[in-house]
Amino acid sequence: GENVEQHPSTLSVQEGDSAVIKCTYSDSASNYFPWYKQELGKRPQLIIDIRSNVGEKKDQRIAVTLNKTAKHFSLHITETQPEDSAVYFCAASPGSGNTGKLIFGQGTTLQVKP
Amino acid sequence: DARVTQTPRDKVTEMGQEVTMRCQPILGHNTVFWYRQTMMQGLELLAYFRNRAPLDDSGMPKDRFSAEMPDATLATLKIQPSEPRDSAVYFCASADRWGETQYFGPGTRLLVL
Repeated sequence: GENVEQHPSTLSVQEGDSAVIKCTYSDSASNYFPWYKQELGKRPQLIIDIRSNVGEKKDQRIAVTLNKTAKHFSLHITETQPEDSAVYFCAASPGSGNTGKLIFGQGTTLQVKP
Repeated sequence: DARVTQTPRDKVTEMGQEVTMRCQPILGHNTVFWYRQTMMQGLELLAYFRNRAPLDDSGMPKDRFSAEMPDATLATLKIQPSEPRDSAVYFCASADRWGETQYFGPGTRLLVL
């Protein structure tokens, strides 16, 4: 079955710097890749997603890139702010049928220092 | 702004007791997921349903856990008997009929003593 590996597990950056989180997946048929942000004590919330027919997507300071050949995708946050501090999860939707199932990475704890 | 709701938000119980967690998916969503989150395991999929039918419950310990959807507006997750290792945050999520974007509830924080 699908397996998603995420790294780094923790990331500390200075306010204003960029942050990059990377994920790899094993199922070449996976076709949907969302990113969720979870603040302390809160629910995971979708921040951006990308489908397999697109190589890059951007939304203000957040961008996601997808390399289908290498089976990896990355989250890029530019001009980081303290409120970006949270746990970020990547996920992949296995390609075998439209079940809606997501396989999540282990999460990255991002700390943005003022 | 429609949201997934879960009750209770917090539950403290003693080992051996039955625990029931409830989830109300977003109206019109036909796919419901149950996840367990611990520090060590991240987000672990326990079971999910589409149109109230279970699609996959392979992530759930069968001997003590059960999940059901009595109707389209209610999903339940039961643990009987509960054990200290079940202590975690349990999230419910729902997705619309296109099935991709999942919206999470606020979670039920369970502590089994």
